Amino acid sequence: GQQLNQSPQSMFIQEGEDVSMNCTSSSIFNTWLWYKQDPGEGPVLLIALYKAGELTSNGRLTAQFGITRKDSFLNISASIPSDVGIYFCAGRVNNNDMRFGAGTRLTVKP
Amino acid sequence: SQTIHQWPATLVQPVGSPLSLECTVEGTSNPNLYWYRQAAGRGLQLLFYSVGIGQISSEVPQNLSASRPQDRQFILSSKKLLLSDSGFYLCAWSGLTSAYFGPGTRLLVL
Repeated sequence: GQQLNQSPQSMFIQEGEDVSMNCTSSSIFNTWLWYKQDPGEGPVLLIALYKAGELTSNGRLTAQFGITRKDSFLNISASIPSDVGIYFCAGRVNNNDMRFGAGTRLTVKP
Repeated sequence: SQTIHQWPATLVQPVGSPLSLECTVEGTSNPNLYWYRQAAGRGLQLLFYSVGIGQISSEVPQNLSASRPQDRQFILSSKKLLLSDSGFYLCAWSGLTSAYFGPGTRLLVL
């Protein structure tokens, strides 16, 4: 099946800094989804992208669906301690096939 | 609105014992349902997905099985647990546009 490469694997940043992470694939996806997982909980959907080139914001979060449909990035501006967690990208070809990246573990130092 | 439940939240089982984890979805019909496993500090591994009652696709050969006896019920089972079955088990459902996760079941096999 399609493989998603998510980078970086982990990030250690200072509170107030901006964060950028991305996912790439050798295959085309029709939908890109970004999730955040807090410890001991299920991932929560942050942003969904449905069209190539689409740029969507959710508060301090911004994500884009790459023009080639093979990549997506997520930016977090002015990070705060509660941004700590694991961020996952997911790509969907159709309703039956959803693939996840390995996750980016974010640590924010106050 | 849609809600996804998982039961139990936490489970400690001896090696060789059986397993049954339940996932139920409310507020939607004919969802695609997924079982994922997450090892500590790791990404999400797709185990099974189902597009309808009685329809199960397995992603990884293992000693686990899944069943979908009702439209909004998805069950993960094992006849004999292994130590390597320990992990965080997440159920998810997807509709036309996005996918959502349940709160997860933490399984510890001793």
